[in-house]
This record gives sequence, structure tokens and C-alpha cells, in this order.
Amino acid sequence: EAQVTQNPRYLITVTGKKLTVTCSQNMNHEYMSWYRQDPGLGLRQIYYSMNVEVTDKGDVPEGYKVSRKEKRNFPLILESPSPNQTSLYFCASRGRSNEKLFFGSGTQLSVL
Amino acid sequence: AQKVTQAQTEISVVEKEDVTLDCVYETRDTTYYLFWYKQPPSGELVFLIRRNSFDEQNEISGRYSWNFQKSTSSFNFTITASQVVDSAVYFCAFYPPGANNLFFGTGTRLTVIP
Repeated sequence: EAQVTQNPRYLITVTGKKLTVTCSQNMNHEYMSWYRQDPGLGLRQIYYSMNVEVTDKGDVPEGYKVSRKEKRNFPLILESPSPNQTSLYFCASRGRSNEKLFFGSGTQLSVL
Repeated sequence: AQKVTQAQTEISVVEKEDVTLDCVYETRDTTYYLFWYKQPPSGELVFLIRRNSFDEQNEISGRYSWNFQKSTSSFNFTITASQVVDSAVYFCAFYPPGANNLFFGTGTRLTVIP
């Protein structure tokens, strides 16, 4: 089954404690992306990757890092989380540029 | 700059009523793609439709229909005979050519009351 897998589904942490949200896709997609969803703001892109070792900033990259060492994986790293990073995070991938995005099931992050 | 506006923040309807969710976009591009996604209470994002800018034909899928009007830059979504399972947040999104981002509206929360 074609899917994007994100883990964990829920995460509660404290300010400053480094964390990683994993994302993996099994569709051999070159493009992957991370979004955060906040009430009243919709989804906003954090980072994206066009291929292995190619990553770039989206609209709200501050406080986040990503890496793309393998085609299937695109982890999101918060080196020093802060409360304003409390949000619902989605990983996504797609095939050709105009095709739909496949989304993971989301990670609800709370930073205390 | 590309922009997607969903002016309706929340809508409540009684079951079996029809409801239309509005989506207006801004662009100077002639080629682009528009999407609708559904986010049920469980939180995942479910793809509903993709439409390219050259195809203004309305589309119907069961109780769902979409009205794309380039002249008014709108891509509205209608649910006929709404059901409780339609309760969700609905996002309209815009994809301009050559972009590396899908631009989302702020979403419309639809509540269908039994």
C-alpha cells in the first residue's frame, strides 16, 4: 500500500530537549516536504526536498532542520524546541510536480 | 504572490442540507492546479480533487461537486444532502507552476448536525 509513515503520532516534550520526527514513504517519490498546521493559519511549509541531499527552506523554517540521506526518509529535527513549535506536523511526498501530495497521518507535538 | 482565501471559518448545517464551501485564489499565472483536502476529526488529510486551470468543467463525485470559475478565481465545493460523516475541516490549496510548495487556505470547519 502506498503510504507516508510518520512517527510518533503524539509527542510531548520540554523546552530545549532535542527531538526528531521521522517520515518515510514507499512510493519512490523524489519530492518530500514538511508542513505545520496551526489554528487559523492552515498548513505552512517548513522545509522541502527535491531529491537525496537536496533540501531547501519553506515559509517557516526557523527552529527546524531536515536531512535527506535516503530517498525514502525525510526526518524533521528540532534541535532546541520551544513552546511556539507546539503544532500539528505533516510530512508529505509526491511524484510529478503537479500531482497530489500524499500526507502522513500527522504528529501532534506539544512543547512545555 | 499566490494566495488562497477560505472566508468561511466555520459552517454548521443540519443533516441532509446542501452546503457550499468557498475558495478564492489569487494568481497571475495562467497555468496552475487547485486541490481540495478533507481533514476529519481523526486528523489525517484526505485528498478529494485536483483540477488544472485549463479544465473549467464542473465535476461531480457522488454527493460532492466542484465549481471552478476562472473568471471569478473561485473553486467552490458543494456537498449535497450532507451527512454527519462530512463533518471535518476542508482545505482548498493552490499549486502554481514551478513551485515547490502547495499553498493552503486556512480551512473551513464544517459541522453537520444530526
